[in-house]
Amino acid sequence: GNSVTQMEGPVTLSEEAFLTINCTYTATGYPSLFWYVQYPGEGLQLLLKATKADDKGSNKGFEATYRKETTSFHLEKGSVQVSDSAVYFCALRSSRDDKIIFGKGTRLHILP
Amino acid sequence: EAGVTQFPSHSVIEKGQTVTLRCDPISGHDNLYWYRRVMGKEIKFLLHFVKESKQDESGMPNNRFLAERTGGTYSTLKVQPAELEDSGVYFCASSQGRQGGAFFGQGTRLTVV
Repeated sequence: GNSVTQMEGPVTLSEEAFLTINCTYTATGYPSLFWYVQYPGEGLQLLLKATKADDKGSNKGFEATYRKETTSFHLEKGSVQVSDSAVYFCALRSSRDDKIIFGKGTRLHILP
Repeated sequence: EAGVTQFPSHSVIEKGQTVTLRCDPISGHDNLYWYRRVMGKEIKFLLHFVKESKQDESGMPNNRFLAERTGGTYSTLKVQPAELEDSGVYFCASSQGRQGGAFFGQGTRLTVV
C-alpha cells in the first residue's frame, strides 16, 4: 500500500539556520504530495503542495520539489525563524482513491 | 468562507460512555475525511466519505466506531462504548477535486478516563 516516511525528530536548529526535513513516499499511480504544519495549540494547516513530478511547492519561505525519480518531497527553508517551531507532516493523496496518508511528523524547535 | 469546524473541541468521558463528534466541512466539499492522532504519534486515517457514501472505512479500528454523513453535509463520528485507548485527537478534513490538499478542522481532543 501507499506510505510516507519522514525523518524522525525532534530537530533543533538555531535561528537563521538552513532547514531540511526529508520525506520519501511509496505509492502506486501518480499521487499529489503535501506538507502540513501544526503550530502549538492549533490545527493542521496546509503549508504547500505539488501535484505532479518536478513541481515545486512554496509558501512562507518553505519549498519542496516533487522528485519522482527518487520518490522524495523534502522540505527546505533557507533561514528559519523561532516562529517556525511546529510539527511538520509530509502527506500524499492517492490518485486512485483520494485517500490522504501522513508521515509520522517531525517536531522542529528553533532556538533564538 | 468558513473553514472546517469540529465540535466539541474537548471531551472528557468515562470508559463505557458514548461520545459523538461532529464535523462541518467547507460548503461544497464532497470529500470528507476522519483521522485520529493518539499520544502525539502519527495521524491515522479512519475513513473517507464522498458526499454521503463511505468511500473507504478501512481505518476504522472496530465496530465501536460509527460514522455517518447525513445528506452529504456534516458528519458525525460516534464511539460507543468508549475505551481508554480511544483517547486522542480526532481530526476532520474536507476537500473538493482530486488534486488539492484537504483542509483540516481544529480537532476534537477526546479523553477517556
